[in-house]
Amino acid sequence: SAVISQKPSRDICQRGTSLTIQCQVDSQVTMMFWYRQQPGQSLTLIATANQGSEATYESGFVIDKFPISRPNLTFSTLTVSNMSPEDSSIYLCSVESGTKIREEYFGPGTRLTVT
Amino acid sequence: QKEVEQDPGPLSVPEGAIVSLNCTYSNSAFQYFMWYRQYSRKGPELLMYTYSSGNKEDGRFTAQVDKSSKYISLFIRDSQPSDSATYLCAMKGGTSYGKLTFGQGTILTVHP
Repeated sequence: SAVISQKPSRDICQRGTSLTIQCQVDSQVTMMFWYRQQPGQSLTLIATANQGSEATYESGFVIDKFPISRPNLTFSTLTVSNMSPEDSSIYLCSVESGTKIREEYFGPGTRLTVT
Repeated sequence: QKEVEQDPGPLSVPEGAIVSLNCTYSNSAFQYFMWYRQYSRKGPELLMYTYSSGNKEDGRFTAQVDKSSKYISLFIRDSQPSDSATYLCAMKGGTSYGKLTFGQGTILTVHP
């Protein structure tokens, strides 16, 4: 399985500002994803981070609000832009790993509170 | 109707009990099924991964898939207080690649 780290682990931000979350994997992976988990809720996929090209966003999520970078096969960033209290959530990155069976592993998450 | 339905609980059981966690789904394209465990303030941890109907066992955990009924289960035998967590079912479509669709998660508490 892949070992995934995220920075920061938590942050408290003011309305209108932006926060960039980093995700680092200990091995090269093809697929990286970003999820949001709102308080008491399940996980919702934000986008697939594609190496060398623009991210693929799910319905309801747009690049202007959640720009994503994927400069190489071990690293990605998610920016939450122009934040509002509704953006208070846990943000998780995940990777697919494995050869025959593609298992998905998650990072520890970034807990964001917007005041 | 959500693609994946999971009873959020909460579920509270005594130590040593057998726990049954369940999900139903409506999308017959789902072929790969996973169970994740999420402790408070942690990321989800992959517990079990199955892709065929029937049972798969790993220690105290058994994952069961019934594709004809579109129903999956996770059984925990001899439950321990350390099993107290949120359990999320997840599934994906016709290839083993691609995005996961999650259930809402069931909050489990095992009390001594």
